[in-house]
Amino acid sequence: AQKVTQAQTEISVVEKEDVTLDCVYETRDTTYYLFWYKQPPSGELVFLIRRNSFDEQNEISGRYSWNFQKSTSSFNFTITASQVVDSAVYFCALSEGLYNQGGKLIFGQGTELSVKP
Amino acid sequence: DTGVSQDPRHKITKRGQNVTFRCDPISEHNRLYWYRQTLGQGPEFLTYFQNEAQLEKSRLLSDRFSAERPKGSFSTLEIQRTEQGDSAMYLCASSGGVGAHYTDTQYFGPGTRLTVL
Repeated sequence: AQKVTQAQTEISVVEKEDVTLDCVYETRDTTYYLFWYKQPPSGELVFLIRRNSFDEQNEISGRYSWNFQKSTSSFNFTITASQVVDSAVYFCALSEGLYNQGGKLIFGQGTELSVKP
Repeated sequence: DTGVSQDPRHKITKRGQNVTFRCDPISEHNRLYWYRQTLGQGPEFLTYFQNEAQLEKSRLLSDRFSAERPKGSFSTLEIQRTEQGDSAMYLCASSGGVGAHYTDTQYFGPGTRLTVL
């Protein structure tokens, strides 16, 4: 069965703090994608990153970084030097199959991040 | 390149009425997905089209729900005899395409918020 768990329901930090959002997934498939999406108060889901199951290389994009570890089935997301504009709900998601398999997304319950000035 | 659009953005209806939502995907995308999101939860998959073919339906999609994508472009989601439990955000996403424009990433529209009184 496919499942995504985001154990942190809410996190509150002060601006400029670093924060890590945890994501643990379950799948029997050996080929899959993992995603992170951001949902600001406006409600629209904004794509942040996609990794495939063969690529465990960590990725950095500006203040954002992602750590993918197949050994622990985790795909954690770190924001460095957080800013008020980072306040949003963040979702981790899984889809089974790669390359034109058209898999549905299985989402975690989300982590609401609040960054205070 | 325009993103995914959805109409209407908000819908208030009385219990027992029928409602229909529309989604226009990114123009070159051949895959289209519908999800439902209730307050405090992650989006849940409802159904998926590849071109005009409906390839997968969730058990969440009761017989009061029907989705179509008649020409492989826009899609409609109809809910008949609405119930208060249908109140949610209905999200549409698209992916696919051809050649250099192909992507396995699902891009989401702004959603339609349904309130059933």
